Amino acid sequence: EAGVAQSPRYKIIEKRQSVAFWCNPISGHATLYWYQQILGQGPKLLIQFQNNGVVDDSQLPKDRFSAERLKGVDSTLKIQPAKLEDSAVYLCASTVWGQRPYGYTFGSGTRLTVV
Amino acid sequence: SQQGEEDPQALSIQEGENATMNCSYKTSINNLQWYRQNSGRGLVHLILIRSNEREKHSGRLRVTLDTSKKSSSLLITASRAADTASYFCATPRGFGNEKLTFGTGTRLTIIP
Repeated sequence: EAGVAQSPRYKIIEKRQSVAFWCNPISGHATLYWYQQILGQGPKLLIQFQNNGVVDDSQLPKDRFSAERLKGVDSTLKIQPAKLEDSAVYLCASTVWGQRPYGYTFGSGTRLTVV
Repeated sequence: SQQGEEDPQALSIQEGENATMNCSYKTSINNLQWYRQNSGRGLVHLILIRSNEREKHSGRLRVTLDTSKKSSSLLITASRAADTASYFCATPRGFGNEKLTFGTGTRLTIIP
């Protein structure tokens, strides 16, 4: 099966500019996550979608970050305006929804550098 | 906040040796997962162990879980150069909560 697709792979922007990342999860995976991974650290959850609804955005810096998942498939994550500390890899993951726990399938991520 | 903490932070071994990584967590869980991340890539799911399991095998991987000590270990036997990567344990935020919290990772280097 096709994996989780993310684009772009790399992005370099200046601080205060805006940037958007795109994610296409595995077909049929109702649950989608965005994680932020700062160099040398583990991934940190930003937001969780169930179909096209937000389940948890408690760790999303809403003053500058926004995300949507229209039609319950693709998702975009936006940062506006970017700060230097936003430099990180942004990972999208999807999983099957259900009572039984399942592992996540991650995309390759977008490496953002803010200069 | 990080739920799991891996130990050691970094590990270098000779090819063919076994590698053991440990993970400690804080809250009650119904499962624990291990992931691998090659440099510059996304994470790959390796294995999931449920709270009622004590040990699980997958190829050269062996995972143990001790819920009384809130700890898990990942053993990679007969290591290969391709095993060079960072390894993360991940646990649900709470019992029945499917959102995963990842540890800080163990950086494993296999020396050919």
